[in-house]
Amino acid sequence: DGGITQSPKYLFRKEGQNVTLSCEQNLNHDAMYWYRQDPGQGLRLIYYSQIVNDFQKGDIAEGYSVSREKKESFPLTVTSAQKNPTAFYLCASSRDRVDNEQFFGPGTRLTVL
Amino acid sequence: LAKTTQPISMDSYEGQEVNITCSHNNIATNDYITWYQQFPSQGPRFIIQGYKTKVTNEVASLFIPADRKSSTLSLPRVSLSDTAVYYCLVGDPYSGAGSYQLTFGKGTKLSVIP
Repeated sequence: DGGITQSPKYLFRKEGQNVTLSCEQNLNHDAMYWYRQDPGQGLRLIYYSQIVNDFQKGDIAEGYSVSREKKESFPLTVTSAQKNPTAFYLCASSRDRVDNEQFFGPGTRLTVL
Repeated sequence: LAKTTQPISMDSYEGQEVNITCSHNNIATNDYITWYQQFPSQGPRFIIQGYKTKVTNEVASLFIPADRKSSTLSLPRVSLSDTAVYYCLVGDPYSGAGSYQLTFGKGTKLSVIP
């Protein structure tokens, strides 16, 4: 089955710790994205990558970092600099940068205690 | 980027047709209109996309008037499983900015009542 996987589904961390969220896709998509969703709100773009070894900041990149060393993988690190990291994190991919259809993973709910 | 406006919430009874309208007064010539569906604690799912007139697939229809300043997502004979948040997005897929220029607002929360 082709798709996007995110792990873990639930994640708990202590304040001040960095944490890395995993995102893997086997759709052979070039573009990948990370969004953050807070309760009752829409999605806000954190980072996106159009191709391997390239990524760009989205609307709320402060306190986050990413890497794109492989086409299939786009991990997101939530650093201690992120002031309010507790949220639902969604990873997505699209065939290429001109494709409006994004495929989303199941999400990771991060809670920072 | 074109701003979109949707109703915050809607209620409908099972079996009825539901129409959700999205306003996008400053839509650009090359912009397409895309709708996504999101269930609680899941990622959004692409429903339909269109540029003008009418587009239909196995799930929904999208009606776009000639001036393209609004669009209507039509869900035929909804069931309880259609209870979700529906997002309207506007963007130009061929601008070079691609998908990442899409902005997901708060969407419309549709509640289907038995």
